[in-house]
Amino acid sequence: NAGVTQTPKFRVLKTGQSMTLLCAQDMNHEYMYWYRQDPGMGLRLIHYSVGEGTTAKGEVPDGYNVSRLKKQNFLLGLESAAPSQTSVYFCASSSPVRVGNTEAFFGQGTRLTVV
Amino acid sequence: DAKTTQPTSMDCAEGRAANLPCNHSTISGNEYVYWYRQIHSQGPQYIIHGLKNNETNEMASLIITEDRKSSTLILPHATLRDTAVYYCIVRVAGAGGTSYGKLTFGQGTILTVHP
Repeated sequence: NAGVTQTPKFRVLKTGQSMTLLCAQDMNHEYMYWYRQDPGMGLRLIHYSVGEGTTAKGEVPDGYNVSRLKKQNFLLGLESAAPSQTSVYFCASSSPVRVGNTEAFFGQGTRLTVV
Repeated sequence: DAKTTQPTSMDCAEGRAANLPCNHSTISGNEYVYWYRQIHSQGPQYIIHGLKNNETNEMASLIITEDRKSSTLILPHATLRDTAVYYCIVRVAGAGGTSYGKLTFGQGTILTVHP
């Protein structure tokens, strides 16, 4: 059981380049999330999705776009990377059916450096 | 979601109990207390959650005060592998509704377990 898988694990981009981070989950979860974590900080929510074909903005959405074309995949795109987007990106998923428990499962992260 | 306050760091001797406090004085009646931990920049891992009763699972125990304004996560026999950042998160129950399972992370408590 792979859980939540993120690709790539590491990436270095030049300012202005674009890239897509892929998140895949095999738990049939409805909800998926993208967080970023800057050094010494907690995670902050970028975008999230409550189902296939739906997306919504989180706390820090500027400079990012997302898509959820398939239930198991959630893509995070950077159209024109900036040094301020240097961070570790975490994808997560959870299920709405477990009342009282929203245990979220996280991927291992993508370390992105923009130079 | 209610704001939480945690100590920045704590130390614990291996084999002893680690008691991590969390203050959440503005918690609402329908909000649960969740604990996650993040080991060495890996993705966060769910530990335990509770509403008002004490909870225990294979990883930890959660003690919530009667007025629900604070709680303590207890790792009964800490090991070196428990060295991590521990996050206390307060949020409404369930993954459904407008919360959609979103998590708001603070800076957490850095727990260092030493030999």
